[in-house]
Amino acid sequence: EAGVTQSPTHLIKTRGQQATLRCSPISGHTSVYWYQQALGLGLQFLLWYDEGEERNRGNFPPRFSGRQFPNYSSELNVNALELEDSALYLCASSMNRDKNTEAFFGQGTRLTVV
Amino acid sequence: AQSVAQPEDQVNVAEGNPLTVKCTYSVSGNPYLFWYVQYPNRGLQFLLKYITGDNLVKGSYGFEAEFNKSQTSFHLKKPSALVSDSALYFCAVRDGIIPGGYNKLIFGAGTRLAVHP
Repeated sequence: EAGVTQSPTHLIKTRGQQATLRCSPISGHTSVYWYQQALGLGLQFLLWYDEGEERNRGNFPPRFSGRQFPNYSSELNVNALELEDSALYLCASSMNRDKNTEAFFGQGTRLTVV
Repeated sequence: AQSVAQPEDQVNVAEGNPLTVKCTYSVSGNPYLFWYVQYPNRGLQFLLKYITGDNLVKGSYGFEAEFNKSQTSFHLKKPSALVSDSALYFCAVRDGIIPGGYNKLIFGAGTRLAVHP
């Protein structure tokens, strides 16, 4: 069974540009989460999509946005990139929103803003 | 608000010795606790979880964790460490603050485990 897949693996953008990151969840999973892992920091919760809707959001500015498609895959868009956005962006999926459900992570997209 | 603390940035242990990686939490209501491991340049791998029941939870790769409600702790343990266990370990918690809703999975800052031969 395929795990969570993320693309691209690496992405280099210049300040002010837009970045689009993609995530395909495990088959049968409806929830997709996005986390930012900056160097030296832990995982910061970004967004949670379930059944095509944004369900929860972390403390990030509106230029961080995304969507979930009918096949439950997801995109994370970061507009007006800043140097501080350089980080590993991790996507995770889970079967549902239940509290006892663990999330499974992809390998991440390393975004570098220059 | 829910939170997770991992008080040690790094834990050093000799191969063959027992290891403990500490985690304390703060939630409203019953906690749902998780441990993950991250190897270099990789995503996170799920190790184990505590939902309810026995306070000692067994997980992957010989790891286990002990839930202590009075101390609000969920420490990760392994009886005999391997060099290959060297990685970054994250504790996470999800609470039920939104009944039946979308309760975030919040992670601690991580603890780097170094197992020396």
